[in-house]
Amino acid sequence: GESVGLHLPTLSVQEGDNSIINCAYSNSASDYFIWYKQESGKGPQFIIDIRSNMDKRQGQRVTVLLNKTVKHLSLQIAATQPGDSAVYFCAGGSYIPTFGRGTSLIVHP
Amino acid sequence: NAGVTQTPKFRILKIGQSMTLQCTQDMNHNYMYWYRQDPGMGLKLIYYSVGAGITDKGEVPNGYNVSRSTTEDFPLRLELAAPSQTSVYFCASSLASGSETQYFGPGTRLLVL
Repeated sequence: GESVGLHLPTLSVQEGDNSIINCAYSNSASDYFIWYKQESGKGPQFIIDIRSNMDKRQGQRVTVLLNKTVKHLSLQIAATQPGDSAVYFCAGGSYIPTFGRGTSLIVHP
Repeated sequence: NAGVTQTPKFRILKIGQSMTLQCTQDMNHNYMYWYRQDPGMGLKLIYYSVGAGITDKGEVPNGYNVSRSTTEDFPLRLELAAPSQTSVYFCASSLASGSETQYFGPGTRLLVL
C-alpha cells in the first residue's frame, strides 16, 4: 500500500513570505497526488493536484512540484496571507488515495 | 448543489450504544468514502463504495458497517460504540474513480463516553 507523510507538523511564516510544505510517499506506482487544505472545524478542501506524468503544476498562488526520483512532492504558496492559515494534507496513490498527517501552517501578520 | 452533507454535526454516545452517521451527496458521484480523523492526525479510510450496492473495507473498518442502496446516500453504522471511536468523521465523494478530487462534507464530531 501507499504511505504518505509530511515532513513537518507545523510551519510558521510571516505574512507575505512564500511557504513550502513538503511531503514524501513510498509507493513508486502512485500516479496521482492531491493537496488539500483544512480550516478549523471544516472538511478538507481541494487545492491542487498533479499526475505522475508531470513534475510541476501551477494554480492561483500555489505550485505543486513532484520529484519521482526521490518520491517527494511539495506545495508552494506565494505571498502567504492570514487566510492561508490551515492544516495542509498531501494524499497520493493509484486507486484510493492515502492521506498524510498534515502540516499546520501558521501565518503571522 | 449542496455538495456533501452530513448529519448530525455532533453527538455524544454512551459505551455500547449504536448510531448511524448520515451522508448524502447531490453531485451524482459514483465513489463515496468514510474517513475518521483523530486529533493531530491525518484521515484514515474506514469504508468506501464505488457505486450503489458495492462497498469495500478501508484501513480501519472494525466496529463499523456501511451500506450503499442509492447513489446519493452512504450511511455509516456504529453498532457498539467504544471510546476508541471518539473522533471526527468525514464523508467524501468523487466522480468516477479514486484518482480524482474528493469533495468532503463538514464532518460529524462523535464523543463516546
